[in-house]
Amino acid sequence: DGGITQSPKYLFRKEGQNVTLSCEQNLNHDAMYWYRQDPGQGLRLIYYSQIVNDFQKGDIAEGYSVSREKKESFPLTVTSAQKNPTAFYLCASTPGTGVSEQYFGPGTRLTVT
Amino acid sequence: GENVEQHPSTLSVQEGDSAVIKCTYSDSASNYFPWYKQELGKGPQLIIDIRSNVGEKKDQRIAVTLNKTAKHFSLHITETQPEDSAVYFCAPPDPSSKIIFGSGTRLSIRP
Repeated sequence: DGGITQSPKYLFRKEGQNVTLSCEQNLNHDAMYWYRQDPGQGLRLIYYSQIVNDFQKGDIAEGYSVSREKKESFPLTVTSAQKNPTAFYLCASTPGTGVSEQYFGPGTRLTVT
Repeated sequence: GENVEQHPSTLSVQEGDSAVIKCTYSDSASNYFPWYKQELGKGPQLIIDIRSNVGEKKDQRIAVTLNKTAKHFSLHITETQPEDSAVYFCAPPDPSSKIIFGSGTRLSIRP
C-alpha cells in the first residue's frame, strides 16, 4: 500500500526537550510539507521541501527544524525554542512541485508538559 | 502571497438538506482549487478539485463551482448524510507552490 506514515501517533515530552517527528512516504513524491494544527483551527505551514537537500520556511518556522536527506523522508524537530509546541502535526506530500492534490499522513499529536 | 478566506466557520444543516461553503482567494494566477475533508483526529483528504479552465465539477452529491472573475469557489453538498459531518478546508496554492489552507468550516448534520 502506498501512502504517508507518521510515527508515533501520540507523543509526550517534558518542556525543554527537543523531539523529532517522523514522516515517511513511499509514493515517490517530490514535495513534502509539515503543518501544525491547533484545536478548532486551520492548518499552518511550518516547512516545505520541493526537492532532496532543499527546504523552505513556511509561515511559522520559528522553533522548528527539518532535514530532507532522502526523497522519502522529511523529519521535523520541535526544539525547546518553540514556545507552544503542544499541537497536532500533519505531514503531507505532492507528486511534483506544480499544483496538485496533497496526500496527508495520519498526524502526530504532541503534548509537552 | 495568497490570502484565503473561508465562510462560514460553522454550519449546521438538517439531514437531507444542502450545504454550501465558500472560499475567496486573492491571487488571480491561481489555477487549482481543491476542497479537503478532515474527520476528527485524522489528516485531511481531498474530496473534489477543479482547475481554472472549467466552471463546475460534480461527483455524485458533491460539486465545486468556480468564479474566477470574483475570485471565489464554493463547495456544494446535496442530500447531506450524517457521515458528511466533518471540517472542510479550501486550499488554493500560491505561485510559489505553497499551499494555503482556509480557516475551515465545521459542518454538522442534524438528524
